[in-house]
Amino acid sequence: SAVISQKPSRDICQRGTSLTIQCQVDSQVTMMFWYRQQPGQSLTLIATANQGSEATYESGFVIDKFPISRPNLTFSTLTVSNMSPEDSSIYLCSVEGGPSYGYTFGSGTRLTVV
Amino acid sequence: GQSLEQPSEVTAVEGAIVQMNCTYQTSGFYGLSWYQQHDGGAPTFLSYNALDGLEETGRFSSFLSRSDSYGYLLLQELQMKDSASYFCAVRDQDYGQNFVFGPGTRLSVLP
Repeated sequence: SAVISQKPSRDICQRGTSLTIQCQVDSQVTMMFWYRQQPGQSLTLIATANQGSEATYESGFVIDKFPISRPNLTFSTLTVSNMSPEDSSIYLCSVEGGPSYGYTFGSGTRLTVV
Repeated sequence: GQSLEQPSEVTAVEGAIVQMNCTYQTSGFYGLSWYQQHDGGAPTFLSYNALDGLEETGRFSSFLSRSDSYGYLLLQELQMKDSASYFCAVRDQDYGQNFVFGPGTRLSVLP
């Protein structure tokens, strides 16, 4: 299965600022997924990122707030813009290893907005 | 839309067997996955069932009944390291074939 390097692992940010999270995969993948996980909660899909096209956002998530880049088949970034304390959460990227292999997740970025 | 239900907490003792259930409602069901997540860690893929029946991988088994919209994860010979949250996730055609995650079951293994 793929190996994902995600950074930063954690950050504390001031409200109103932006943070960009990076994910690097050790193999080429068609789709990358960005999830949010609030403390003690389940995972919620933010968007799906395909190389060479606009990301597809799920209901409740918009590009202006969570812009995503996918410049090649091994890399993606998620930016959390104009942050507020409600954005405090864990953000995870993932890739699919095939229908029987499930998703592989990055180690996550624990974001605290103060 | 989709909805998944899992018990919020389960407690068992070392060496025992525990079953964690997942019921789902979805109109475009493809398959059911299970993930383990330790505190502070990332989710780790455990299993995927697309067809009815039981899949076994070591101490872990996963079961699916498509007619009942129900599945479970069975852990045998429980170890302390199995204490974690376990999420079921449905692959849904109506969700772009992406996975929708359940609320998760927190398993506590006692000595």
